[in-house]
Amino acid sequence: DADVTQTPRNRITKTGKRIMLECSQTKGHDRMYWYRQDPGLGLRLIYYSFDVKDINKGEISDGYSVSRQAQAKFSLSLESAIPNQTALYFCATSIGVNYTFGSGTRLTVV
Amino acid sequence: RKEVEQDPGPFNVPEGATVAFNCTYSNSASQSFFWYRQDCRKEPKLLMSVYSSGNEDGRFTAQLNRASQYISLLIRDSKLSDSATYLCVVHSGNTGKLIFGQGTTLQVKP
Repeated sequence: DADVTQTPRNRITKTGKRIMLECSQTKGHDRMYWYRQDPGLGLRLIYYSFDVKDINKGEISDGYSVSRQAQAKFSLSLESAIPNQTALYFCATSIGVNYTFGSGTRLTVV
Repeated sequence: RKEVEQDPGPFNVPEGATVAFNCTYSNSASQSFFWYRQDCRKEPKLLMSVYSSGNEDGRFTAQLNRASQYISLLIRDSKLSDSATYLCVVHSGNTGKLIFGQGTTLQVKP
């Protein structure tokens, strides 16, 4: 099994729908992150969590929310999806400067 | 101004060529520096860390100039398998976050 697992791998949803992207890890890391990547752009940080009780906004948090259900789980929600949220989403964990990324969720909002 | 800036390319080079990528960062408090490699639609993977003294890993050489806030990656004897996007990444010890450049695309041709 992968160290960082994202589900679903691909999702197509309609504008206005609520959608949740899930991330689970077996690394035992306290720190978890959600990034988004658009074509031709690097990864941009949406939200991050340094432990179960700590949630912080990244540079592009508008339109998103997160839940850290346990050390191993960090989910990202789009309350009302819009087309410009179509992107590749990555979850990551870290200890120090060592990061592990999930395989990504490709989300399309139509 | 973006915190981490790279020339997006693409760089199209023949096999065996030497190619260099550059990156600048704006936050002088940045403490750790990396090059990540990303294959199409996949997660970024650490290629190498970057140190002021310069470091080499086989055909890859990375260099950091803190005074100029400049990072470089040199690839010698390019292989077809080197075709990918190379992401310049900066870690701020203060915030504990990775900041990504937009990536430089390399295409190595036979």
